[in-house]
Amino acid sequence: AQSVAQPEDQVNVAEGNPLTVKCTYSVSGNPYLFWYVQYPNRGLQFLLKYITGDNLVKGSYGFEAEFNKSQTSFHLKKPSALVSDSALYFCAVLLTYSGAGSYQLTFGKGTKLSVIP
Amino acid sequence: GAVVSQHPSWVICKSGTSVKIECRSLDFQATTMFWYRQFPKQSLMLMATSNEGSKATYEQGVEKDKFLINHASLTLSTLTVTSAHPEDSSFYICSAPDSSDTQYFGPGTRLTVL
Repeated sequence: AQSVAQPEDQVNVAEGNPLTVKCTYSVSGNPYLFWYVQYPNRGLQFLLKYITGDNLVKGSYGFEAEFNKSQTSFHLKKPSALVSDSALYFCAVLLTYSGAGSYQLTFGKGTKLSVIP
Repeated sequence: GAVVSQHPSWVICKSGTSVKIECRSLDFQATTMFWYRQFPKQSLMLMATSNEGSKATYEQGVEKDKFLINHASLTLSTLTVTSAHPEDSSFYICSAPDSSDTQYFGPGTRLTVL
């Protein structure tokens, strides 16, 4: 079965420290992987994606993620956390591609990041 | 980046009434849009795929007659919750993909059914 997992419901990190939000996936073929962030009472915002190419992907707000094929992981990272980074983070994998411009994403359950001042 | 809007952002209605939610891609065309539902503190659940010019494709367990989807144009999809009941109260989010394999999400619509 194809799936994406976020093993941590919550991650707490002190402001200024590096942060990591974990994501692992299980898909057949080459995965398209995404990270989204959701602030309270808001919709999701795109952070970054991996389609092909360099394993280290840089995205919005200083976030980056490393695609690791052998470990089937796509962990989200940031060198120095800000209080404003506190939000809900979703990892997603593209499961189907119809070739007609339609894409469906399957999401992990989400990880709540709390950055402590 | 691309922008997707939703209207309304928050709606409160009485049980038994119908509510229409609009999803618009503002600066790009989308032949396909997606509708999600999010329960508190949970991930998104895909409800249906909205296809311009054809019928929507619903996920298993989603009632077609209750959640009516119309993809009227390349920039507009609507979700109508018919005969809403309190258990339909939720956060509804739409998304649309651009030409670079990236989906952009609307800000969401919070539906409260009294």
